[in-house]
Amino acid sequence: EAGVAQSPRYKIIEKRQSVAFWCNPISGHATLYWYQQILGQGPKLLIQFQNNGVVDDSQLPKDRFSAERLKGVDSTLKIQPAKLEDSAVYLCASSSHLGTGGYIQYFGAGTRLSVL
Amino acid sequence: GENVEQHPSTLSVQEGDSAVIKCTYSDSASNYFPWYKQELGKRPQLIIDIRSNVGEKKDQRIAVTLNKTAKHFSLHITETQPEDSAVYFCAAPSGGGADGLTFGKGTHLIIQP
Repeated sequence: EAGVAQSPRYKIIEKRQSVAFWCNPISGHATLYWYQQILGQGPKLLIQFQNNGVVDDSQLPKDRFSAERLKGVDSTLKIQPAKLEDSAVYLCASSSHLGTGGYIQYFGAGTRLSVL
Repeated sequence: GENVEQHPSTLSVQEGDSAVIKCTYSDSASNYFPWYKQELGKRPQLIIDIRSNVGEKKDQRIAVTLNKTAKHFSLHITETQPEDSAVYFCAAPSGGGADGLTFGKGTHLIIQP
């Protein structure tokens, strides 16, 4: 089966600019996650969707970050305006089950963002 | 929310020896503990996971043990090979009814020839 697709792979912007990332999960996967991975650290959960509803966005900096999942399939993550500390790899993941209980999350290749 | 601590941050072992990475978690309600391997510049990939109803799980050279009382779990790699060199992350559910993951800070495993 096809994996989680993300684009673009790389993005370089100046601080205070805006940027958007796109994710297409594995076909049929109801749950989608966005993680931020700063160099040398583990991924940090930003937001979790179940179909097109938000399950958890407690760690999303809502003053500058926003995310949506149209029709419960593709998702976009936006940063406006970007700060230097937003430089990181943004990983999208999806899993096939609803609810809790722990199900395998499959990660995309990520988008590497550099904010200058 | 969940807090996951991982040790050591760097581990160097001779090829053929065993490697052990340890993690602790804070939320006693957590019930799923995956381990991911991430090679430089690549995506995290699941290598093994364990659920709270078992104490140990093994897959060829890789095993994971779970002690729910002490709230810690460990990754064991035997007969290490050069291709095992990577960063390994443990994780646990973030809690609050959702199953997004809280990750440890990672262990850089170096296999010396």
